[in-house]
Amino acid sequence: EVQLLESGGGLIQPGGSLRLSCAASGFPFSNYAMGWVRQAPGKGLEWVSEIIGSGGGTYYADAVRGRFTISRDNSKNTLYLQMDSLRAEDTAVYYCAKDAGDWSPAFLDYWGQGILVTVSS
Amino acid sequence: SYELTQPPSVSVSPGQTASITCSGDKLGDRYAYWYQQRPGQSPVLLIFQDNKRPSGIPERFSGSNSGNTATLTISGTQTMDEADYYCQAWDSNTAAVFGTGTKVTVL
Repeated sequence: EVQLLESGGGLIQPGGSLRLSCAASGFPFSNYAMGWVRQAPGKGLEWVSEIIGSGGGTYYADAVRGRFTISRDNSKNTLYLQMDSLRAEDTAVYYCAKDAGDWSPAFLDYWGQGILVTVSS
Repeated sequence: SYELTQPPSVSVSPGQTASITCSGDKLGDRYAYWYQQRPGQSPVLLIFQDNKRPSGIPERFSGSNSGNTATLTISGTQTMDEADYYCQAWDSNTAAVFGTGTKVTVL
């Protein structure tokens, strides 16, 4: 059974940094791309970033490029999202998701339960 | 940047058919995906590569994609289908985009 468990969320001041983690189990982690999707309170889904299985290729939404960094540790079956220069508009539930593709992102077939990040002074 | 537009809401009576559209420039030239999000829950993949259903997804959910519009059809809608639905596609293979979302009400 695929399981994705996010951690690292919380309240952070504008301009601050936060690192989200996603512990994965139930599938060969290094064989699949992984991604992050966020959802602001009462709003729709917003794709944030993805990384291919090897970690050699990354993709970012314009809204976070240059501020967020996606990475993975295949030895620990863990996905990360380093979020710097946080803004109020980054406040959202952040979902970790498994992609069905390996060397190239395709679609997100399993999702975590999400973790809340609140950017506020 | 690429945009996908969905109607904000769709209402359907139990047992009837609901159709949700997703519009984007030349959307038919790329794959469309659909996700369901019930209140308070994480999204679930419903349709991939325009019209394929993952295992466990009921046959009443189907998809199509042509021209500038992808469509998700729910046949024989049930009360448990009341949820938000999002389409998704890739923009030039560099960034994914979600549609604006459609709230389906079964009444």
